[in-house]
Amino acid sequence: DSGVTQTPKHLITATGQRVTLRCSPRSGDLSVYWYQQSLDQGLQFLIQYYNGEERAKGNILERFSAQQFPDLHSELNLSSLELGDSALYFCASSLRDRSTDTQYFGPGTRLTVL
Amino acid sequence: GQNIDQPTEMTATEGAIVQINCTYQTSGFNGLFWYQQHAGEAPTFLSYNVLDGLEEKGRFSSFLSRSKGYSYLLLKELQMKDSASYLCAVRVASGGSYIPTFGRGTSLIVHP
Repeated sequence: DSGVTQTPKHLITATGQRVTLRCSPRSGDLSVYWYQQSLDQGLQFLIQYYNGEERAKGNILERFSAQQFPDLHSELNLSSLELGDSALYFCASSLRDRSTDTQYFGPGTRLTVL
Repeated sequence: GQNIDQPTEMTATEGAIVQINCTYQTSGFNGLFWYQQHAGEAPTFLSYNVLDGLEEKGRFSSFLSRSKGYSYLLLKELQMKDSASYLCAVRVASGGSYIPTFGRGTSLIVHP
């Protein structure tokens, strides 16, 4: 158990819908990262927040957005869902925002878009 | 952009030693990580290298050569539970932060 929690564990929805994935980092960690993992793309970095502010952006679509709240939990919002958005979405947290910081991954949310 | 290459699949025998290679082409290199990921589960941290050389941690060791853009993960005394995907990830400094880029992973199958 990494100490990072994600809800829900599974999510099934239809194309065109909007969903929100939630992540609570390990106690004391200030950084939260979001990743998408699909069979054909591997693990792709989406976005990072540090202490409530956006720090880095990866391959995140405009239909996707995220935020980190004052209590440091984070939410990833996915809208206008397409079949290709079906994937495992991982959240990870780290203590700070330094290159040496280890990232601890949550168990993931499996999103299925029908 | 960043480019990370690792073999797609490897097989090995229980009790043996296996080396998983990773090559990368990147600018702003700021460290290389190895993660283990069992099917359907979250990646778990194995090792971190930022300077050239070998880092040993129990049955696992990781090596880095920055000049060659090359790393390997060495697993000794293989156990059946080591069957998993091994992800090589490079961290790149960008705009004051650090962007992680993952390889596609190497699926290791350990057989009796």
